[in-house]
Amino acid sequence: AQTVTQSQPEMSVQEAETVTLSCTYDTSENNYYLFWYKQPPSRQMILVIRQEAYKQQNATENRFSVNFQKAAKSFSLKISDSQLGDTAMYFCAFMKPLSTSGTYKYIFGTGTRLKVLA
Amino acid sequence: DAGITQSPRHKVTETGTPVTLRCHQTENHRYMYWYRQDPGHGLRLIHYSYGVKDTDKGEVSDGYSVSRSKTEDFLLTLESATSSQTSVYFCAIGRNNQPQHFGDGTRLSIL
Repeated sequence: AQTVTQSQPEMSVQEAETVTLSCTYDTSENNYYLFWYKQPPSRQMILVIRQEAYKQQNATENRFSVNFQKAAKSFSLKISDSQLGDTAMYFCAFMKPLSTSGTYKYIFGTGTRLKVLA
Repeated sequence: DAGITQSPRHKVTETGTPVTLRCHQTENHRYMYWYRQDPGHGLRLIHYSYGVKDTDKGEVSDGYSVSRSKTEDFLLTLESATSSQTSVYFCAIGRNNQPQHFGDGTRLSIL
């Protein structure tokens, strides 16, 4: 069975600094996708970044980037120039095909609560 | 905004009562999902649908049923609510291997 582990329940960072959130996963699949979602206090689930397992190049979205190490099954999120609005719970998620129906299944980590300090 | 509406946003009810949560989408997506979010567990899949009248169980389906009579609506029913079903429930829509988009969630408290 696939598992996703986020080993840092809580983290804090000073505004404008850089922080890295860790995520490891366990799978025997070859075709899968990885995501980071942000959940602010409003409870919305907001997609931050996506990585296809077959791509070696690390994904980047503005201040957000990932370090994808496929052999190590590691998928960390780096937030540069942290802003107060980055304060949220961050979830790492693994997605794979669920069945021949075309559906895909997410497996989520337990989340890292990030607080950006002024 | 991915065009997903969950109703109600909050609900408090008593043990043993039936509860139905509604997910409505305006994106015409084929795939719809129900998750629950609990502290220490992240989000876990309850049921999913791959078309009208086509549904299947996820990893935590016990005590829940779903129905999808129209593309745009996916209902989650707790036939007889228990306190262990107190949670935040999220609906999501997806298109094949694209990221799923989530509704704003329903906070359900069962006393």
